[in-house]
Amino acid sequence: SQQGEEDPQALSIQEGENATMNCSYKTSINNLQWYRQNSGRGLVHLILIRSNEREKHSGRLRVTLDTSKKSSSLLITASRAADTASYFCALKLRGSNDYKLSFGAGTTVTVRA
Amino acid sequence: DTAVSQTPKYLVTQMGNDKSIKCEQNLGHDTMYWYKQDSKKFLKIMFSYNNKELIINETVPNRFSPKSPDKAHLNLHINSLELGDSAVYFCASSAGGFVTEAFFGQGTRLTVV
Repeated sequence: SQQGEEDPQALSIQEGENATMNCSYKTSINNLQWYRQNSGRGLVHLILIRSNEREKHSGRLRVTLDTSKKSSSLLITASRAADTASYFCALKLRGSNDYKLSFGAGTTVTVRA
Repeated sequence: DTAVSQTPKYLVTQMGNDKSIKCEQNLGHDTMYWYKQDSKKFLKIMFSYNNKELIINETVPNRFSPKSPDKAHLNLHINSLELGDSAVYFCASSAGGFVTEAFFGQGTRLTVV
């Protein structure tokens, strides 16, 4: 398939703990993007990491990319209740039309107070 | 000001009806998209438009017809609605394809009864 597959499907953690989710894919990518979706809302872009990059940070978020293993991970440190959301990885496939981004079904994260 | 706005947010209609969803972006982006999110949260691209021209039509039934009157607007008209059309529809925009981040609207929850 040409979309990323997030793992786990669901994750429940205590406030203050770290949350890690993974995205695996099967084809070559140009970039990989992570998005957050709060319940009943649209998607919000978090981080874009290009195929020649290995790690990026944004605030409490850390994204890694291993193109040899065709996988990426999103780490949320010191989680807060407001981090409760679904997190999606999205692939911009190498050589494909620039106007298509392939999403997986997401990881649902619940942060307990 | 909302960057990408869709109307309506909720739409309940009977089978066989025709309905439209409107989308407007004030980001000055060249590219706009429609995505469909099913009950399992899987996001699937339907259409991509660049500078008012259709770039991607992802095997969507021809009952769905997008229209882009200008770069800032992308509307979705659906004829002869079916139960299976029930989903959340998201409009998004980006600056020239998915080499950069995309901005999503808040979604339109369509329920066909």
